Amino acid sequence: NAGVTQTPKFRILKIGQSMTLQCTQDMNHNYMYWYRQDPGMGLKLIYYSVGAGITDKGEVPNGYNVSRSTTEDFPLRLELAAPSQTSVYFCASRGGQRYEQYFGPGTRLTVT
Amino acid sequence: GIQVEQSPPDLILQEGANSTLRCNFSDSVNNLQWFHQNPWGQLINLFYIPSGTKQNGRLSATTVATERYSLLYISSSQTTDSGVYFCAVEPRYNAGNMLTFGGGTRLMVKP
Repeated sequence: NAGVTQTPKFRILKIGQSMTLQCTQDMNHNYMYWYRQDPGMGLKLIYYSVGAGITDKGEVPNGYNVSRSTTEDFPLRLELAAPSQTSVYFCASRGGQRYEQYFGPGTRLTVT
Repeated sequence: GIQVEQSPPDLILQEGANSTLRCNFSDSVNNLQWFHQNPWGQLINLFYIPSGTKQNGRLSATTVATERYSLLYISSSQTTDSGVYFCAVEPRYNAGNMLTFGGGTRLMVKP
């Protein structure tokens, strides 16, 4: 299993541009999450999904959108990039009887 | 929401020393995980430990759920142990199933 994969690894955006961060897991997990990590801080939840077709907001959802059309994929969309969205973005998944979450390698995004 | 506090915030060790990192949380939990974030930013799962004690090589962890704390022990530290250690919890009564992270302990191991 590849686990949780994220693309791209790095990206620089100009203010106002849009982009989609991709996340895929091959563990057949129902739960998937998007977190952001600002410099020197812990992670904060942006959005999560408990299964295909079901998504909900986390702690810091403003400026982002998500969709979950399949079990494997959980893309995160930034519509109008702002400097405040400069961060490292982590995708995670969870499944089965355990509550343990598995994290992808992260996407480092800079908005200038 | 649930509060997660980690101590100490920063720790500098000489190679070979032992250390204990602490995580206090304010409510009952379904999940508690310890992560190591290496200098390249990657989050590495160390332990899934909502209760009890586990060991993996030089690392071990204990969670006392009734007293709402967890400890991570690092023995015979190595320079590769450097990075940030995060504790994260999922509250028991939380429909969101989300992890709440502590602020981390930044560890530097000197050769």
